[in-house]
Amino acid sequence: GAGVSQSPSNKVTEKGKDVELRCDPISGHTALYWYRQSLGQGLEFLIYFQGNSAPDKSGLPSDRFSAERTGGSVSTLTIQRTQQEDSAVYLCASSLIGGRHQPQHFGDGTRLSIL
Amino acid sequence: GENVEQHPSTLSVQEGDSAVIKCTYSDSASNYFPWYKQELGKRPQLIIDIRSNVGEKKDQRIAVTLNKTAKHFSLHITETQPEDSAVYFCAASYMEYGNKLVFGAGTILRVKS
Repeated sequence: GAGVSQSPSNKVTEKGKDVELRCDPISGHTALYWYRQSLGQGLEFLIYFQGNSAPDKSGLPSDRFSAERTGGSVSTLTIQRTQQEDSAVYLCASSLIGGRHQPQHFGDGTRLSIL
Repeated sequence: GENVEQHPSTLSVQEGDSAVIKCTYSDSASNYFPWYKQELGKRPQLIIDIRSNVGEKKDQRIAVTLNKTAKHFSLHITETQPEDSAVYFCAASYMEYGNKLVFGAGTILRVKS
């Protein structure tokens, strides 16, 4: 596609439920990143994929968070047993190649609200 | 790990004036410094970036300067226009693992017409 695509754009769920967020990177981009942006805050790194492997998952806040990428393309971020502090905008970015200072291009994000 | 501080948190300027946003970073290994503009409810958009082998870079009305010794970099916007109003984020990264970006907290820029 023309840009990074994320779905859903908005997600409202009850505390304790599991959620799955999807990211479709720019075609041909091998590097994919997940960030989280809490209200009025900067972006916080969660995880980085190069192809299907995740060399850096240091930003995942707890073991309730996991992510995978298949076929070197689409990635899903899963949050289990959601808590109210998980409410944020989850942003995905992709770049042509990881580790070469290629610009990261962001999607519109998924706004997650935990009731 | 890397830490990026950004100042000011809010900045109001008159249309036509210049705006300067400053960032400092802690990890001397960082060697890539992008700036993103985020309008309300929209995705962050890369507006300019600089690598550590360069001291200054310009693109029309925007410029970025980097001082590696002092570990700070700045965004300069000249002849500001109302459409420059947005939140601006600086970031730093290094190539050890991909290009993980560490962001500053953001600056809300308001350009008054």
